[in-house]
Amino acid sequence: DAGVIQSPRHEVTEMGQEVTLRCKPISGHNSLFWYRQTMMRGLELLIYFNNNVPIDDSGMPEDRFSAKMPNASFSTLKIQPSEPRDSAVYFCATGEREQFFGPGTRLTVL
Amino acid sequence: KNEVEQSPQNLTAQEGEFITINCSYSVGISALHWLQQHPGGGIVSLFMLSSGKKKHGRLIATINIQEKHSSLHITASHPRDSAVYICAGSYGGSQGNLIFGKGTKLSVKP
Repeated sequence: DAGVIQSPRHEVTEMGQEVTLRCKPISGHNSLFWYRQTMMRGLELLIYFNNNVPIDDSGMPEDRFSAKMPNASFSTLKIQPSEPRDSAVYFCATGEREQFFGPGTRLTVL
Repeated sequence: KNEVEQSPQNLTAQEGEFITINCSYSVGISALHWLQQHPGGGIVSLFMLSSGKKKHGRLIATINIQEKHSSLHITASHPRDSAVYICAGSYGGSQGNLIFGKGTKLSVKP
């Protein structure tokens, strides 16, 4: 297995644009997590899914953020419209006990 | 409020030294995770423990449930151990609901 795959690895966009981050989890795990990491706040859980169903989205900062998991092998995190304060590294992870992290997407909103 | 605190924030050591990083949490957790983030940004899960002690190579993690405290020890430290070490607590009965510490930046000098 190639591990958790995220795309793109880097994204630079302008304020107001829609951003879509993608994640392909490791097969065989039922849980998928989206995290955000910033210098100020460190790592934060945004949302997690179990069996493709969102279980806890209390970490999603506001309505501009949405996440979907249409099937067990794919998830998206969308920001619309993006703002400069959304600049961060976004990680996807999977695993019910030990967590396996993707390489992250570094998002810069100008 | 659930909180996870780490100390020290930064740590510089000479190669070969024994290193200890501490983690305290405010309320009961179901499990405690130790993660390693490399300078390139990738995050690797080192340990997940709910009691006692775990060992993997030169790394040892301990947890004291009564004192709400965990430690990560590195024996015979090496420059390749230089990284940010992050502890996180699983809350709410779900392994995915992680609250993260701010991390300890370790630099091991040759």
